[in-house]
This record gives sequence, C-alpha cells and structure tokens, in this order.
Amino acid sequence: KNEVEQSPQNLTAQEGEFITINCSYSVGISALHWLQQHPGGGIVSLFMLSSGKKKHGRLIATINIQEKHSSLHITASHPRDSAVYICAVKGGGSNYKLTFGKGTLLTVNP
Amino acid sequence: DGGITQSPKYLFRKEGQNVTLSCEQNLNHDAMYWYRQDPGQGLRLIYYSQIVNDFQKGDIAEGYSVSREKKESFPLTVTSAQKNPTAFYLCASSIGGRAYEQYFGPGTRLTVT
Repeated sequence: KNEVEQSPQNLTAQEGEFITINCSYSVGISALHWLQQHPGGGIVSLFMLSSGKKKHGRLIATINIQEKHSSLHITASHPRDSAVYICAVKGGGSNYKLTFGKGTLLTVNP
Repeated sequence: DGGITQSPKYLFRKEGQNVTLSCEQNLNHDAMYWYRQDPGQGLRLIYYSQIVNDFQKGDIAEGYSVSREKKESFPLTVTSAQKNPTAFYLCASSIGGRAYEQYFGPGTRLTVT
C-alpha cells in the first residue's frame, strides 16, 4: 500500500472554479512537498511545508500533522493550471528519501 | 540562471546496450537524486548522493549505476541488466538532504526497443 494517497486521481473543472486536491500519508514526516508536473514532464516545486499553511498567488497549501493530511487549493482556476499535482513526504530523522503520491491530473476548461 | 539540466530530452536505445543519462546542476547543491517515473505510479528513487564521491541506493537501484566525481554532475547509467528500462527519468538536487526543497530537472524520456 502506497504510504501517500492522493485524491482525486482526476479532476476536471471550469475556469474560475475553486480546486482542492487532497493528500493523506501514513507515517510521521518532517516535511511535505507539493509539486506540479506539466505535460512536457518537468516538475516544479510549489510548496514545502511542515505545519500550518502557505500561500503563493492563487495557490494555498495546508497541512494537519495530527490528521496526517494536506490539501492544495487553487483559487480562480485557469486553463494554465492544468497539470499533474504531486504530493511527496519526507520521513523524520536522517531519512533523505521522498515518498511520492501517484499524482492528481487536473484539467481546467475555458 | 541557476538550474538543473538533463540531456537529451528523448533517448532511444536498442535492448542490450548501456546508456548514460546526463544531469548537471549549477545551484551549488550538495545532494542529488535520480528518480524514475512510470505511468500510473509515483516517482521512485533510484540513487541519491549527499556529497561528492558518495552515493546510496534507493528503492529500485538494480540495473542502474551512478557516479559523483564532481559536485555539479550526477550521471546515471542504465545497464543491460535493467529489465524494464523504458521510462521517464528525473534528476533532482537540494541544498542538503534533510527537509530541504528539491529542484527537478526537465527529465529524459528513455525508450529501449
């Protein structure tokens, strides 16, 4: 069983809609990352967080350590937001490894 | 501009041939990583290196080899022993290993026939 579960797997929205992508994990972590992968394949790091909430433009990421859950929100979605969004967690201690979710494919239609 | 470069973007090889994928970074990062991405699966760690001349196996190291002779470079060799080499390969780097943000390269799509 994957230690990182994302939902939904696929999400289609109309331009302007508020988007939420969820990530649940089963182990203690030191940090959680949200990544964006465009059709060309390159990956961009959106957020790295270990507690609370972070905001960058129209993107907001939250994490609840007790519930082992994180959400990525996109406000006023736009077709250029169409991409795969990937959640990844890093274990505690000296573990350098990231464990990745399978990703959520977001399509925003004009 | 600082960043990570991977070349080439597309690579085609015949079965039985070894192939080396390039990864270079000018971010002055100590740690570098190689991941493999297959359809419907999360990225999986092949190898990682925390400092020059040192590297460790990840989850799926069999059939792969790496070297870290320079801080900027972390090439990955896909050997003929790798049973299913066709995949998308991503290189990443970070300042250090612990809870540091990883920066990803554009990836190399390897097709072996």
